[in-house]
Amino acid sequence: QVTLRESGPALVKHTQTLTLTCTFSGFSLSTSGMSVNWVRQPPGKALEWLALIDWNDKKKYSASLEARLTVSKDTSENQVVLTVTNMDPVDTATYYCGRMRFDTLDSWGQGFLVTVSS
Amino acid sequence: QAALTQPASVSGSPGQSIIISCTGSSNDVGGYNYVAWYQQHPGKSPKLIIYDVTNRPSGVSRRFSGSKSGNTASLTISGLRAEDEADYYCISFTSTETWLFGGGTKVTVL
Repeated sequence: QVTLRESGPALVKHTQTLTLTCTFSGFSLSTSGMSVNWVRQPPGKALEWLALIDWNDKKKYSASLEARLTVSKDTSENQVVLTVTNMDPVDTATYYCGRMRFDTLDSWGQGFLVTVSS
Repeated sequence: QAALTQPASVSGSPGQSIIISCTGSSNDVGGYNYVAWYQQHPGKSPKLIIYDVTNRPSGVSRRFSGSKSGNTASLTISGLRAEDEADYYCISFTSTETWLFGGGTKVTVL
């Protein structure tokens, strides 16, 4: 059974850096075709794809946020970390991590609400 | 990069069929058969209902089907039920090897 869980600070201040951890089980990020993706959803708004890191350590970022995002992995610990610099109140959102097998994002975490105070 | 275009809302009566469109460009929807659809109920994580344009994961009702023509992908829900009332999102692979969501469609069962 595949599970993912996001964790991190629920509240960050304007201009601070957010660090979120995705801890997963039921698959290995060293298996060909696997990646972990980050997606966010502001309250009442649409999903927004942010970043991915794959089994080969390839990293891809949303063009609109690339300058502020960094993704990394610890394969032995089954964890992926997302950092977002210079947080702003508009970054208030539920952040999800999800497993992608080749081209399909098929398993999601429960989501983690991050609020940015001004 | 702007989101894929979806209608903000679609409604139908129980038993009817509805279609949700997802329009992009040749750099995303039109260029790849990597379009998926997700259903999201309030307060819940998205659930995969269609992948690779037309494929249904195991356990997803056959009432959900996907298709694509040119730069537009579509999700059809047949035999609409009360439990289908939710938000629906498309996502597509893009030419920059990133992914792009649609703006989401709220489905209301009348």
